[in-house]
Amino acid sequence: EAQVTQNPRYLITVTGKKLTVTCSQNMNHEYMSWYRQDPGLGLRQIYYSMNVEVTDKGDVPEGYKVSRKEKRNFPLILESPSPNQTSLYFCASSLQGTDTGELFFGEGSRLTVL
Amino acid sequence: AQSVAQPEDQVNVAEGNPLTVKCTYSVSGNPYLFWYVQYPNRGLQFLLKYITGDNLVKGSYGFEAEFNKSQTSFHLKKPSALVSDSALYFCAVRDWAGAGSYQLTFGKGTKLSVIP
Repeated sequence: EAQVTQNPRYLITVTGKKLTVTCSQNMNHEYMSWYRQDPGLGLRQIYYSMNVEVTDKGDVPEGYKVSRKEKRNFPLILESPSPNQTSLYFCASSLQGTDTGELFFGEGSRLTVL
Repeated sequence: AQSVAQPEDQVNVAEGNPLTVKCTYSVSGNPYLFWYVQYPNRGLQFLLKYITGDNLVKGSYGFEAEFNKSQTSFHLKKPSALVSDSALYFCAVRDWAGAGSYQLTFGKGTKLSVIP
């Protein structure tokens, strides 16, 4: 089954404790992206990657890191989480970027930073 | 810069009635427009897209959207609403002005409630 898998789905952590949210897709997609969803703000892009070893900042990259060492994986790293990073995070992928192809989304990862 | 506006936070409609969820956009070049739907506790799912061609685009689950260049709008419509259509709907735009950022900008979402 074609899918984007995120882990963990739910996480409660404390300020400053490094964490990684993993994202994996099995569709051989070139493009992958991370979004955060907050009430009243919709979806905002954090980082995206056009292909292996190619990443770029989105609208709200501060406090986040990403890497794209393999085509299928695109982990989101929070080196020192803060309460304002409490949010619902979505990973998405697409065959050829967002210009003609639709995005496939994971189920989301709800993160709470205390 | 590109932007999307969904002027209604919530839309209520009776089952069986037609529904419209509004979206307007702003881009400097030609727009690529998308609608996505999010059911509770799920990720977003693609509904339909406009790239070029016919202004009326048909998508999944009986939804359609009409591209209006003069009004810079891309409203989502369905002739007869179902209770199962109740969800959060997002409009998104990408400005195709040549090579560059592949950033897709989303609206803030509109919650659709279909009342039995």
